[in-house]
Amino acid sequence: QVQLVQSGTEVKKPGASVKVSCQASGYAFSTYIMHWVRQAPGQGFEWMGRISAGNGDTKYSQKFQDRIAISRDTSATTAYMELSSLTSDDTAVYYCARLTEGGAFDIWGQGTMVTVSS
Amino acid sequence: QSVLTQPPSVSGAPGQRVTISCTGSSSNIGAGYHVHWYQQFPGTAPKLLIYGNDNRPSGVPDRFSGSRSGTSASLAITGLQAADEADYYCQSFDSSLSVHVVFGGGTKVTVL
Repeated sequence: QVQLVQSGTEVKKPGASVKVSCQASGYAFSTYIMHWVRQAPGQGFEWMGRISAGNGDTKYSQKFQDRIAISRDTSATTAYMELSSLTSDDTAVYYCARLTEGGAFDIWGQGTMVTVSS
Repeated sequence: QSVLTQPPSVSGAPGQRVTISCTGSSSNIGAGYHVHWYQQFPGTAPKLLIYGNDNRPSGVPDRFSGSRSGTSASLAITGLQAADEADYYCQSFDSSLSVHVVFGGGTKVTVL
């Protein structure tokens, strides 16, 4: 079945970086755009950026522009999101999500909890 | 502060109809971008509930319906059930340079 499986829980110190993976299966990976969204505890969703899995083109939210990198490995059908210079404000669940042609996120990863604490 | 505005909570008795509003602006919903709705239970990933303003994915009951008009959209739940108690989020796109995808702040639906 079509699914996105993310890497596991991370605990990081302030100033560190984190890299979260999102492995796709059950569909043609390169034909979709993958987005990354985060949700802080008790809060709503915040869009971070996206990658076209086919040509690797990326777009980022201005808020994260200076410290985010989204990449993909087509042979492994996996997308990655790396966030650097972490602070406690980055404590959140990070989701990858597949975008449909109509602009909706039809498939979501299970989420990866990232905790930033000294 | 979310770009799209939703009421923090709505409630209703079983069997009743509730609606959730999602208010945007001329750079997102008012620009003609579609609105999509998601349902999220605690500790789980969101699930697509309505796409393209008023379409239901396969498997979503027809008790859920969506609409869009001007700079706003709405989600309606009829025949409210205990299983509908969850958080609901609207999502669209925005033509501003700073962000491309925008979400509402979420609405908690409580079944009384």
